Amino acid sequence: QLQLQESGPGLVKPSETLSLTCTVSGGSISSSTYYWGWIRQPPGKGLEWIGSIDYSGSTYYNPSLRSRVTISVDTSKKQFSLKLSSVTAADTAVYFCARSDTYYDILTGYRPNAFDIWGQGTMVTVSS
Amino acid sequence: QSVLTQPPSASGTPGQRVTISCSGSSSNIGSHTVNWYQQLPGTAPKLLIYSDNQRPSGVPDRFSGSKSGTSASLAISGLQSEDEADYYCAAWDDSLNGPVFGGGTKLTVL
Repeated sequence: QLQLQESGPGLVKPSETLSLTCTVSGGSISSSTYYWGWIRQPPGKGLEWIGSIDYSGSTYYNPSLRSRVTISVDTSKKQFSLKLSSVTAADTAVYFCARSDTYYDILTGYRPNAFDIWGQGTMVTVSS
Repeated sequence: QSVLTQPPSASGTPGQRVTISCSGSSSNIGSHTVNWYQQLPGTAPKLLIYSDNQRPSGVPDRFSGSKSGTSASLAISGLQSEDEADYYCAAWDDSLNGPVFGGGTKLTVL
């Protein structure tokens, strides 16, 4: 069955760029039926959606992070990636990648819906 | 402060029925479907309910979801010790143009 696996540095210095990759196995990343997203969870806190991308590169970003976030997809490698620039201690969190199905909105077209498959998550600490 | 409001905690004894509420607004729950996630300690969230009241394959029918207006609820009947977890509601938000999560409810089985 489809599985997602996050990878990347567990420690990032303040003001630098956090880079994570999610590798998809056991299925295709190139389906128009799904979006691929990043969600984070600071220690002891709740979930925050960061952004989502489909196989063609169409993206949705959380407005609160938009200026610092870039999500990209490489279908040949079955991977999608997250870059978060100018990090601070507030960006310390467990970062999850997840697949979501899509919903057709008559005004905006296809958009992400429920996150049905998740990676195990990776802890990223921002510290000097 | 989360866009969707959940009680921080809930509890029940084995066999009981518990409900967890999720309050939103016209830009999210009032206009879009609600999804619920279960997060067991130290693990990734798991989709529990989608489209307000649909269960993914493998989710026991002890779990059910409902929605009315700008609020939604998750009900767990026949409570079991393994249900002890954090539960999150989520819905698309037109203002955010993205999904928003509730703050989460920690369910304790006494």
